[in-house]
Amino acid sequence: AQKVTQAQTEISVVEKEDVTLDCVYETRDTTYYLFWYKQPPSGELVFLIRRNSFDEQNEISGRYSWNFQKSTSSFNFTITASQVVDSAVYFCALSEPVVDKYIFGTGTRLKVLA
Amino acid sequence: EPEVTQTPSHQVTQMGQEVILRCVPISNHLYFYWYRQILGQKVEFLVSFYNNEISEKSEIFDDQFSVERPDGSNFTLKIRSTKLEDSAMYFCASSEALPEQYFGPGTRLTVT
Repeated sequence: AQKVTQAQTEISVVEKEDVTLDCVYETRDTTYYLFWYKQPPSGELVFLIRRNSFDEQNEISGRYSWNFQKSTSSFNFTITASQVVDSAVYFCALSEPVVDKYIFGTGTRLKVLA
Repeated sequence: EPEVTQTPSHQVTQMGQEVILRCVPISNHLYFYWYRQILGQKVEFLVSFYNNEISEKSEIFDDQFSVERPDGSNFTLKIRSTKLEDSAMYFCASSEALPEQYFGPGTRLTVT
């Protein structure tokens, strides 16, 4: 069965600290897609990244980086030098080609304190 | 850049009333979705729609819910008789090709 686990419910850091948000997924498919979304207090879902299961290369985009490890079924997200504007809820999600829906994790609320 | 739009941004309704949430997907997209997020909880899939019919629905999507594409541009979610527990943020999404889905900004539904 498909499942996404975000064990960290809430994380608080002080500005400029690095922070890693964990995501562990379960799937029986060999082809699947993983996503990260940011949900600021205004409520919309902001797309951050998509990875497919065949591309294990880690990715960096500015202060954001993602570590995809198939061996541990994890797709972790690191924010370097966090800023107050990074405060939001972050969701990890999974999709499989034959199952036409996204499965979201429960989200991690990140609070960055000035 | 094309985007998914949803109206209204916030809807308040009384328990037992019918409500219709509206979405305008991106124009060349063929796959349409509704998701629900109860306050403080995760985003949950409700239904997917393709070729004018439901392709998949979750157990949440019971007989009180229906979807429709009444014309070439709108995609609606109707809740026939709202309950307090229907209070949530409802997200519409559309897709040209799997697996990419583009989410709208959401409609916050409050049932009193």
